[in-house]
Amino acid sequence: GDSVTQMEGPVTLSEEAFLTINCTYTATGYPSLFWYVQYPGEGLQLLLKATKADDKGSNKGFEATYRKETTSFHLEKGSVQVSDSAVYFCALSDGSARQLTFGSGTQLTVLP
Amino acid sequence: DAGVIQSPRHEVTEMGQEVTLRCKPISGHNSLFWYRQTMMRGLELLIYFNNNVPIDDSGMPEDRFSAKMPNASFSTLKIQPSEPRDSAVYFCASSLVASTEAFFGQGTRLTVV
Repeated sequence: GDSVTQMEGPVTLSEEAFLTINCTYTATGYPSLFWYVQYPGEGLQLLLKATKADDKGSNKGFEATYRKETTSFHLEKGSVQVSDSAVYFCALSDGSARQLTFGSGTQLTVLP
Repeated sequence: DAGVIQSPRHEVTEMGQEVTLRCKPISGHNSLFWYRQTMMRGLELLIYFNNNVPIDDSGMPEDRFSAKMPNASFSTLKIQPSEPRDSAVYFCASSLVASTEAFFGQGTRLTVV
């Protein structure tokens, strides 16, 4: 079945540091890929998405590129802020199933 | 649109009591999902509906859990009887049939003592 593997957390960075959170996936078809963010006490919010190979999703300075050859969708940001502190979830959707498969989440803490 | 609305935001109940969680999806969305989030198990899909019909309930942990969607604008998740191990944050999410992007509510934090 489909699965998503994220790098283990927690991740702690200083403000303005470069961020990478690794995500790899296993799927039988051609899934859509997502990054969701969860701020403390809130629900998950879609951060960015990519629907086909080589697509780059971007939002709020975050980027991720759909790499079919390496089955990866790593999240990057060039300069993190304290306000980026949250839990980040990688997810995929196999269109036939229509449901999302989530990774385990990565806790990010950015220190001033 | 106000987004996905869940109620209550917090629920504290005693073991053995019935608990009902409520969800109003985004208007026009045809798919609705119930998730449970815990530190130990992360985010788990419990059940999802398409056009008010339950499609996959394989994630429902046991018969104590039941979910209904009587119409396109309302769903409930019921636990009867509740147990301390049911303590978690329960999320409802909805999406368009033709889209795979899901929109989440703010969740209900359930504590069973």
